[in-house]
Amino acid sequence: DVKVTQSSRYLVKRTGEKVFLECVQDMDHENMFWYRQDPGLGLRLIYFSYDVKMKEKGDIPEGYSVSREKKERFSLILESASTNQTSMYLCASSLWGTGMGSYEQYFGPGTRLTVT
Amino acid sequence: GENVEQHPSTLSVQEGDSAVIKCTYSDSASNYFPWYKQELGKRPQLIIDIRSNVGEKKDQRIAVTLNKTAKHFSLHITETQPEDSAVYFCAPKPAGANNLFFGTGTRLTVIP
Repeated sequence: DVKVTQSSRYLVKRTGEKVFLECVQDMDHENMFWYRQDPGLGLRLIYFSYDVKMKEKGDIPEGYSVSREKKERFSLILESASTNQTSMYLCASSLWGTGMGSYEQYFGPGTRLTVT
Repeated sequence: GENVEQHPSTLSVQEGDSAVIKCTYSDSASNYFPWYKQELGKRPQLIIDIRSNVGEKKDQRIAVTLNKTAKHFSLHITETQPEDSAVYFCAPKPAGANNLFFGTGTRLTVIP
């Protein structure tokens, strides 16, 4: 059973603070993703990583950075949190490859971040 | 990238009726077409997917149909039940990519 966990379910931070969101998966997946979810906007990709120390920008990378030092862990960093980054953040992982089912993304429970 | 549109954005049906959600995409090279379901307060989960060499796939009360020429695929839910109430996302994948492009979601409400 795939397990994707996120470090916090709820987080409240002040404007200007540096924020770390951690995601860990236990299925040896190569790909990991960070999304933010806002009402009416669906899931928007922030960054993804297909290997350790590799990262690719998604649709909305501005104001965010990521770190993948180990295969199982993918961190999202808000260098200086702003109120417009208040959102639900979802992490996901998937296998790399072309086999049937290998594109399925497994999501974590989400972190609801409030920036005041 | 891929431009993805989902319609309708909200859908209410009576229990027992059918529901259809349509997803259009822009990249003709897309080759993988999944649907995810997200119940209130829960994480999104894959419910059904289809590859580009298949026109239709069924799993009990849900089915996905693909029209590659028109660049759209649809989710069909028959005999809807209250537990089908959720937000549904399509997420086509272009060939060569490892990431999915999620639509903005359709909120389905099944009225008992």
